[in-house]
Amino acid sequence: QKEVEQNSGPLSVPEGAIASLNCTYSDRVSQSFFWYRQYSGKSPELIMSIYSNGDKEDGRFTAQLNKASQYVSLLIRDSQPSDSATYLCAPSLEKLTFGTGTRLTIIP
Amino acid sequence: EAGVTQSPTHLIKTRGQQVTLRCSPISGHTSVYWYQQALGLGLQFLLWYDEGEERNRGNFPPRFSGRQFPNYSSELNVNALELEDSALYLCASSLDPFDYNYGYTFGSGTRLTVV
Repeated sequence: QKEVEQNSGPLSVPEGAIASLNCTYSDRVSQSFFWYRQYSGKSPELIMSIYSNGDKEDGRFTAQLNKASQYVSLLIRDSQPSDSATYLCAPSLEKLTFGTGTRLTIIP
Repeated sequence: EAGVTQSPTHLIKTRGQQVTLRCSPISGHTSVYWYQQALGLGLQFLLWYDEGEERNRGNFPPRFSGRQFPNYSSELNVNALELEDSALYLCASSLDPFDYNYGYTFGSGTRLTVV
């Protein structure tokens, strides 16, 4: 089993809808999780971090963490064409690994 | 505040040659990470330096090496280049490798093409 697995893409979502991105991890020790966004040809940029069970909201983005299920998700509300990118999940800094990413396309 | 800077931005080398990539972290960041991202693929961890020491190494052959200088800048060296080394090489830095609130900040990367 891979250390970090993300839902396979590509994922297409109509503009204005909710995009849901999922990530599961195998290491129960991981304490924190990070979501990065990577536009085509660009480097990843951090958009959210979460380390407590439950939800964390930042604008149109909501990260959800369930440590018992070893599951973390990212919801993007009111999706915009500018949200079209690859989203990478990373369980904690010291693990040094990233998921393979989910390519999201917002359809106008 | 200046971000993570990498040089050069693009590079074309011939198979068998050697290359050195450079990275300057954000001021105050002591940890530097190197990742390889081949076209269409995910980020593969290469090396982690903190306070001048190599802390961890990914599953790459020994011809990939690097170092971190006293000013926390870093170099990645790749010897005996192979065609499959063609990729985007990303450097990232962090203030505290164990701070749950503070992720990586990535540089813009160096695009290496081996012909």
